[in-house]
Amino acid sequence: AQSVAQPEDQVNVAEGNPLTVKCTYSVSGNPYLFWYVQYPNRGLQFLLKYITGDNLVKGSYGFEAEFNKSQTSFHLKKPSALVSDSALYFCAVRDGTGGFKTIFGAGTRLFVKA
Amino acid sequence: EAGVTQFPSHSVIEKGQTVTLRCDPISGHDNLYWYRRVMGKEIKFLLHFVKESKQDESGMPNNRFLAERTGGTYSTLKVQPAELEDSGVYFCASSTHTGGAGNSPLHFGNGTRLTVT
Repeated sequence: AQSVAQPEDQVNVAEGNPLTVKCTYSVSGNPYLFWYVQYPNRGLQFLLKYITGDNLVKGSYGFEAEFNKSQTSFHLKKPSALVSDSALYFCAVRDGTGGFKTIFGAGTRLFVKA
Repeated sequence: EAGVTQFPSHSVIEKGQTVTLRCDPISGHDNLYWYRRVMGKEIKFLLHFVKESKQDESGMPNNRFLAERTGGTYSTLKVQPAELEDSGVYFCASSTHTGGAGNSPLHFGNGTRLTVT
């Protein structure tokens, strides 16, 4: 069965500092991995995905994520945080070998302090 | 292009009443999904349509929930009768069908916040 774990309910970081939001996953086949962001009273917006190829993927708003197969992790990173990055971030996984069901984590709230 | 739209944005009903949520996906998106998030918890999968057919409804909690997708366009999710534990935010998402297992991201609506009192 697929599952996603986001071990931190909240991440606090100062503006200009690097940020990391952690995600680990479990899937029986090849993992398709996604990050989404949710701003207040809005739906989730796609940030980036890993399907195959380079383990470091780049996405919207300067975010990137690193796929680590041995650690089954897909942590979201940004070199320099902005106050406007404050939002709720969701990691998600889909079994690339045979399914369309996307499973989401519980979300991590990122708070960037000016 | 117009995004995924959901109606209503909020609904407050009493236990035992019926509520119908509507989702209009992005035009041309064959895949339509319903998800639910209870406060602070994961976004839980409910079901998946491919066009008008239910591809996977393994996440539907019980037979009080009924989802339809008439003509493969918009979808409705009816809860009848509603219970207190049905409260949460119901999200609809759509995606294109790229063949195989599909690597397309999901496009989400803003959600319907359902409160059952």
